[in-house]
Amino acid sequence: EIVLTQSPATLSLSPGERATLSCRASQSVDTQLAWYQQKPGQAPRLVIYDAFNRATGVPARFGGSGSGTDFTLTISSLEPEDFAVYYCQHRRSWPPNFGGGTRVEIQ
Amino acid sequence: EVQLLESGGGLVQPGGSLRLSCAASGFTFSSYSMTWVRQAPGKGLEWVSTITDNSVSALYADSVKGRFTISRDNSKTTLYLQMNSLRVEDTAVYYCAKYYDDRGSIFDPWGQGTLVTVSS
Repeated sequence: EIVLTQSPATLSLSPGERATLSCRASQSVDTQLAWYQQKPGQAPRLVIYDAFNRATGVPARFGGSGSGTDFTLTISSLEPEDFAVYYCQHRRSWPPNFGGGTRVEIQ
Repeated sequence: EVQLLESGGGLVQPGGSLRLSCAASGFTFSSYSMTWVRQAPGKGLEWVSTITDNSVSALYADSVKGRFTISRDNSKTTLYLQMNSLRVEDTAVYYCAKYYDDRGSIFDPWGQGTLVTVSS
């Protein structure tokens, strides 16, 4: 099975700063990678699918890139509502595993 | 608006059983695969099971294979997860989610979740 490793585990930033989150796959997933945002006490929400496509209603400050084994989620300028945990997930094969998550916290 | 509402969670003893339900509305339920994903307290997300739109295919994580059964009733637009032989490590919030489309495991949206606690 494909293992996804996210880094860093925690990112401490201030509003207005740029956030760069990494997801590395143990083998190629082509561009079959999604990113989800989860706020405390809430269900996850799809942010990016197929590596770089923003889900409906997701602001343009969210951007995804990468292919193969290395992927990046970038938030160009953090808004207060962006502080959350972000998970990557692949759909290349079964099981469609999730990464361990990156917490973006207010510095 | 798509809505997914889970129910059926609660406290159960190890070895016990529980059936979760996910009532769906706002979309053509019979046209989409559906999935269950769980999250243990303070931990990350773990895919549990997926069922295709017509119930022809069901897949399971190794951690639940042989103990959990996913099913659906398209006439009632409801997804189910029958959980047997429950273990302490099955304690988690269980989310149901709709497949985004037919290209594969992209989950959108998710329900609010139901908490299952396995403890003596």
